[in-house]
Amino acid sequence: ETGVTQTPRHLVMGMTNKKSLKCEQHLGHNAMYWYKQSAKKPLELMFVYNFKEQTENNSVPSRFSPECPNSSHLFLHLHTLQPEDSALYLCASSQDGETGADTQYFGPGTRLTVL
Amino acid sequence: GQNIDQPTEMTATEGAIVQINCTYQTSGFNGLFWYQQHAGEAPTFLSYNVLDGLEEKGRFSSFLSRSKGYSYLLLKELQMKDSASYLCAVRDSNYQLIWGAGTKLIIKP
Repeated sequence: ETGVTQTPRHLVMGMTNKKSLKCEQHLGHNAMYWYKQSAKKPLELMFVYNFKEQTENNSVPSRFSPECPNSSHLFLHLHTLQPEDSALYLCASSQDGETGADTQYFGPGTRLTVL
Repeated sequence: GQNIDQPTEMTATEGAIVQINCTYQTSGFNGLFWYQQHAGEAPTFLSYNVLDGLEEKGRFSSFLSRSKGYSYLLLKELQMKDSASYLCAVRDSNYQLIWGAGTKLIIKP
């Protein structure tokens, strides 16, 4: 039990579909993150929210749209994805994202397959 | 550019000791993290080093040399459950985490 949950755990979608990934953290943290994890590649940071405000958007295509309604919930809205977007999408949270020792805690991820 | 290097895969024997190395070139340094990730699961935090030297936590130890841009994770008395990927990450001067691609550790009986 890491305190960070993600749903769904697996998702298969066509390129014309619209779907959303959900993340919830029960740790009282103020920062939340979306990462993309592809096989044999480093984690790619997609978005960062700190106190509900987006602070990072690392050149992510507009077909990925984040939403952070409060410090405990984070969504990733998906539309018109490409097959190369198939990957494990990880959500993480941390206390404040502003100190060296600030540790990120991860959810189990959503395994996304785009057909 | 910023870069984290770690071996892609390592194999070790149950009960033995293994050292997983990580070298980094980053713009600034505000600490180094090690995470463990079992297949299909979340990465879980193992250790954080910001000063030079060895930090010991049970069977796992992590070492840092800032002057050499080098760290290692030492796993003792290996167990089958230690089979996992081990991720090295460095926090740079902008407090961003820069990640390595991970080392897949295979434990054989």
